[in-house]
Amino acid sequence: KNEVEQSPQNLTAQEGEFITINCSYSVGISALHWLQQHPGGGIVSLFMLSSGKKKHGRLIATINIQEKHSSLHITASHPRDSAVYICAVVQGNLIFGKGTKLSVKP
Amino acid sequence: NAGVTQTPKFQVLKTGQSMTLQCAQDMNHEYMSWYRQDPGMGLRLIHYSVGAGITDQGEVPNGYNVSRSTTEDFPLRLLSAAPSQTSVYFCASSYSNQNEQFFGPGTRLTVL
Repeated sequence: KNEVEQSPQNLTAQEGEFITINCSYSVGISALHWLQQHPGGGIVSLFMLSSGKKKHGRLIATINIQEKHSSLHITASHPRDSAVYICAVVQGNLIFGKGTKLSVKP
Repeated sequence: NAGVTQTPKFQVLKTGQSMTLQCAQDMNHEYMSWYRQDPGMGLRLIHYSVGAGITDQGEVPNGYNVSRSTTEDFPLRLLSAAPSQTSVYFCASSYSNQNEQFFGPGTRLTVL
């Protein structure tokens, strides 16, 4: 049983498209992280959320604690956004989703 | 600041060999953790530490040991390598699980 589910698993978009990646979880959490894993393997933190919405550049993350759901949106997508996006929930330690592989075509 | 550093980047071991993966951070973070990443699976926690002298097991601790003698360093020891330990290993540090996570570049380990 996966406690953190991401959808879609794979996503291909054209440059400029609006992208949404979803994360649903089944456990009580104190916070949620969105991470980006580059094609070379490095992992960087994008957002940490415990409520509401955060925005950084073209990236927006939202969380609905009652519905146990978070979304990561990318506006005006660009090929450099191609990466694996990982959702992780904080229940004591971090529990990770399997990731969403995004490919943005020029 | 170097952030989180890991060595080596790549390693090939034979079954039964032991080795230590090194992890260091220069951000004075109390929380450090080791994860493994396998194809088709999310990152899984091996061991973690909430400060010098304090370590605890994560989801998949068998076959691994850790110690935390200083705030900066958190080495992961493979006691007797097995092919099932072939994976990519990431070290991470943060002030807490509810703060920004900083990951090392990863170590790709192959056990033959």
